[in-house]
Amino acid sequence: QQPVQSPQAVILREGEDAVINCSSSKALYSVHWYRQKHGEAPVFLMILLKGGEQKGHEKISASFNEKKQQSSLYLTASQLSYSGTYFCGTEGDSWGKLQFGAGTQVVVTP
Amino acid sequence: DGGITQSPKYLFRKEGQNVTLSCEQNLNHDAMYWYRQDPGQGLRLIYYSQIVNDFQKGDIAEGYSVSREKKESFPLTVTSAQKNPTAFYLCASSIGTGGQNTEAFFGQGTRLTVV
Repeated sequence: QQPVQSPQAVILREGEDAVINCSSSKALYSVHWYRQKHGEAPVFLMILLKGGEQKGHEKISASFNEKKQQSSLYLTASQLSYSGTYFCGTEGDSWGKLQFGAGTQVVVTP
Repeated sequence: DGGITQSPKYLFRKEGQNVTLSCEQNLNHDAMYWYRQDPGQGLRLIYYSQIVNDFQKGDIAEGYSVSREKKESFPLTVTSAQKNPTAFYLCASSIGTGGQNTEAFFGQGTRLTVV
């Protein structure tokens, strides 16, 4: 079953913050985050493994709560380059089965 | 340069015809994946392969078939049994499976249109 992402879309002004959530109904081994710009392939941002660690990429960070089977992506002090669709990907007990959510469209305006 | 190549970029097919989408990688990755992307539905997993000569169905395998005879290649055939094949198809690969090994590298995609 695909992970569930929220919100579906968010519009930000440059410098504002946003949070994107990803949840799963099954136990997770890892959570991935990718960003896809229009007409391009998705690009890897970061991966979080079991253990609740937090990671960062520029001013984008993420957390993973394995007990709740949830992950959150934090966009801090957003830049125009942050615009795109963000996908979370999850890997559960079926190793190798990397499933993605429906995506969250992020638009950052000047 | 290492990477993952999908061809063709655009493909048109008549109803009732099978069509094969190519995916080749020179990253020496063991795992490969096929996803279908439709507006509002994200990336849906069609098939995945963890190693040569082995593959598993994903969430929407009906009407599709794959083969993994070589490590570098994972072609996807869209058969006439697929009722709504018009979509954007993405191929990806990763070093392996489990944790850090599953960082996925994507191809540029093939847009299939049934006419």
